[in-house]
Amino acid sequence: QKEVEQNSGPLSVPEGAIASLNCTYSDRGSQSFFWYRQYSGKSPELIMFIYSNGDKEDGRFTAQLNKASQYVSLLIRDSQPSESATYLCAAVKAAGNKLTFGGGTRVLVKP
Amino acid sequence: GAVVSQHPSRVICKSGTSVKIECRSLDFQATTMFWYRQFPKQSLMLMATSNEGSKATYEQGVEKDKFLINHASLTLSTLTVTSAHPEDSSFYICSARETIPFFGPGTRLTVL
Repeated sequence: QKEVEQNSGPLSVPEGAIASLNCTYSDRGSQSFFWYRQYSGKSPELIMFIYSNGDKEDGRFTAQLNKASQYVSLLIRDSQPSESATYLCAAVKAAGNKLTFGGGTRVLVKP
Repeated sequence: GAVVSQHPSRVICKSGTSVKIECRSLDFQATTMFWYRQFPKQSLMLMATSNEGSKATYEQGVEKDKFLINHASLTLSTLTVTSAHPEDSSFYICSARETIPFFGPGTRLTVL
């Protein structure tokens, strides 16, 4: 079992709809979770991070964390075609420690 | 947000040569930096953790004598791919964290 798992997709979403991305992790010692977006041929760019149970909102993005279920999600409201990319979920056990990445979910936002 | 730079962005070299990639934290000090490798259509794979003033920590399966890491200052880590071969062709990305991890723009290495 991989430490961080994501559905590889592709997740096809109409323009303006909500894209819902899921991520599960196996190590209960994981403390902080990060969502990155990666365009083809580019390096990952940070979208947001979360470390407390519950929801965290930042503009059109909402991250959700459920430590009991070992589940992290990212909602993207009003999705735009320019946001078609691979979304990476990552976990870290403690500050300064390495990130463990999931395989990424490819998202296609169709006009 | 914090800025991490990499140089060069792209390099093409002949098989058997060595290639050095630099990673710099531009507006913060980073005692720890991370080096990743990404093959096409795959996720990032951590190669090693670079520690300022001490030896790097390599992930299982990564040859430390082939991928030399030097973290000489709090803002600079270098990765040298020694005696590069075509199978080393990949996208190399570094990461540094101030409070949260940021990634450099990556270096595309092509070994002919």
